[in-house]
Amino acid sequence: DAKTTQPTSMDCAEGRAANLPCNHSTISGNEYVYWYRQIHSQGPQYIIHGLKNNETNEMASLIITEDRKSSTLILPHATLRDTAVYYCIVRPLNTGTASKLTFGTGTRLQVTL
Amino acid sequence: ETGVTQSPTHLIKTRGQQVTLRCSSQSGHNTVSWYQQALGQGPQFIFQYYREEENGRGNFPPRFSGLQFPNYSSELNVNALELDDSALYLCASSLESVGSYEQYFGPGTRLTVT
Repeated sequence: DAKTTQPTSMDCAEGRAANLPCNHSTISGNEYVYWYRQIHSQGPQYIIHGLKNNETNEMASLIITEDRKSSTLILPHATLRDTAVYYCIVRPLNTGTASKLTFGTGTRLQVTL
Repeated sequence: ETGVTQSPTHLIKTRGQQVTLRCSSQSGHNTVSWYQQALGQGPQFIFQYYREEENGRGNFPPRFSGLQFPNYSSELNVNALELDDSALYLCASSLESVGSYEQYFGPGTRLTVT
């Protein structure tokens, strides 16, 4: 699976948009970009995923650059409950073998008042 | 809430002992993956079970083994516990199908080996 690079930590004021970047310059054409987050002492939570088009759901938006070498997760109105470690993961389409998630160390987002 | 449950929540064992951790997957899911998360690190893939068969394994020794049952629940067994096995153990369930899919994680079991 392609390697991802994320900043170690970021701060965001409550109510503002949180923009979390991720570099995945070695991504292959058949690899999706996934985002998960892990709130302290809980299991990781799926947020969103995409292949090449921008995606939006009730939690966040995912912007993938045209060359697919980087992406940004956007939390449009961050709240204190969004304080967590955010993981950017790339993984291939299900090929019938184990579709594991390869986690890095993620970005620790701290939302403040 | 993902519908994935794990037991026990916390566990303390002594080096050399054996431990069994349990996971109930979300309704309708047929695949369970296990991860180990050391303090301050991201989760590391241990193995995955699909329809009661091991379907891939990470870089973990054979003393880490598992089972998946007909109802798709799963167990993780670790023999000859070592101090470095102290970690949060996470299971994730998913519905194996062609194309992308999401894994839904349980709250984890915190294992401490002394």
